[in-house]
Amino acid sequence: DGGITQSPKYLFRKEGQNVTLSCEQNLNHDAMYWYRQDPGQGLRLIYYSQIVNDFQKGDIAEGYSVSREKKESFPLTVTSAQKNPTAFYLCASKRDPDYTFGSGTRLTVV
Amino acid sequence: GDSVTQMEGPVTLSEEAFLTINCTYTATGYPSLFWYVQYPGEGLQLLLKATKADDKGSNKGFEATYRKETTSFHLEKGSVQVSDSAVYFCALRGGGGTSYGKLTFGQGTILTVHP
Repeated sequence: DGGITQSPKYLFRKEGQNVTLSCEQNLNHDAMYWYRQDPGQGLRLIYYSQIVNDFQKGDIAEGYSVSREKKESFPLTVTSAQKNPTAFYLCASKRDPDYTFGSGTRLTVV
Repeated sequence: GDSVTQMEGPVTLSEEAFLTINCTYTATGYPSLFWYVQYPGEGLQLLLKATKADDKGSNKGFEATYRKETTSFHLEKGSVQVSDSAVYFCALRGGGGTSYGKLTFGQGTILTVHP
């Protein structure tokens, strides 16, 4: 079955370290998105990519970076510049008109 | 820019009660509207959607009608079950040319249903 796989499900990071969250899809979707979820704030867009080798900043891109070298993969790196990285991160892909979400990665800074 | 406002939560109901979760939006153009559900520790699942004014989306007993005149997309269910306990998100996809297909979400409403 097609879908989106996010790994790992839980991730712990020490302050000052970069960490990369994986997002892989086998749906052959062109567009992919990264969202951050905090309690009581809904989901906020970090980065998005409409095609391979192209990506754009979303509403809260500071302290994050992405790459889109393959259609199937859209990894998100949380850098040490992100001041408050502890959150639940969701990846999504889209083929009009439908979106598919992964099951998320919970990142905790310790 | 686009925005979505959901009613304040959390919402606590008894089984078989009627559910309404209010959602209003601000957007340019003609957005598509969605309700997503999130169960604990999981990602989002599409519950229902509507792509133009007066459309009614429905699924699993839930309904929502796209009201352009009131810019609303309220979620309703006639008789909730314990298994409906989850977080519900209203979202829109902007109809403007610069939306790039991104979804704008409300803050989410936590629903708890007691037996």
